[in-house]
Amino acid sequence: EAGVVQSPRYKIIEKKQPVAFWCNPISGHNTLYWYLQNLGQGPELLIRYENEEAVDDSQLPKDRFSAERLKGVDSTLKIQPAELGDSAVYLCASSYRGSSYNEQFFGPGTRLTVL
Amino acid sequence: AQTVTQSQPEMSVQEAETVTLSCTYDTSESDYYLFWYKQPPSRQMILVIRQEAYKQQNATENRFSVNFQKAAKSFSLKISDSQLGDAAMYFCAYRSEYAGGTSYGKLTFGQGTILTVHP
Repeated sequence: EAGVVQSPRYKIIEKKQPVAFWCNPISGHNTLYWYLQNLGQGPELLIRYENEEAVDDSQLPKDRFSAERLKGVDSTLKIQPAELGDSAVYLCASSYRGSSYNEQFFGPGTRLTVL
Repeated sequence: AQTVTQSQPEMSVQEAETVTLSCTYDTSESDYYLFWYKQPPSRQMILVIRQEAYKQQNATENRFSVNFQKAAKSFSLKISDSQLGDAAMYFCAYRSEYAGGTSYGKLTFGQGTILTVHP
């Protein structure tokens, strides 16, 4: 079974440019998470989806960040415009709410560098 | 809000020896899970071990075991017979199991501990 897929793996952009990250969760997983991981730090939740509904987006900087999960499957996280401080790894995870442990499975992440 | 603290930024161990990574957390909830995740340079976050708060018995997974002290809010990871492949960043994480809250399912991570294994 395929794991969580993210693309691209690496992205380098100039500041003020837009950027988008894509995540394909494990088939059947109804919950999807986007985490931000700064260098040398633990991940921090940006947004959590239950199916297509964003149920926790309290940590998402809504002035420049947006996310969507159309049809409750794939998700896209967008930054517009990007700032130098957005350089980080963006992790996507998914889980099946209703499973024994509701375990989150992580993708490999997208490393963003803003110049 | 819950917090997770890992006070050891770096640890090192000789191959085949034992090492313990420390973690403390703060919560007012009674129903939660605690986890240890491993993140190698490839960035793939891998679950090492989980502990349910209502279980008094410490979890074990092969060479990995935890010392869960609920009253002290302490959750340490012991790695026995360390192997070169254990070298990675290790994160302690907390997850609320309060289904009525918006934080349900959200993982709160510590700052991480870099583990180096010397041959």
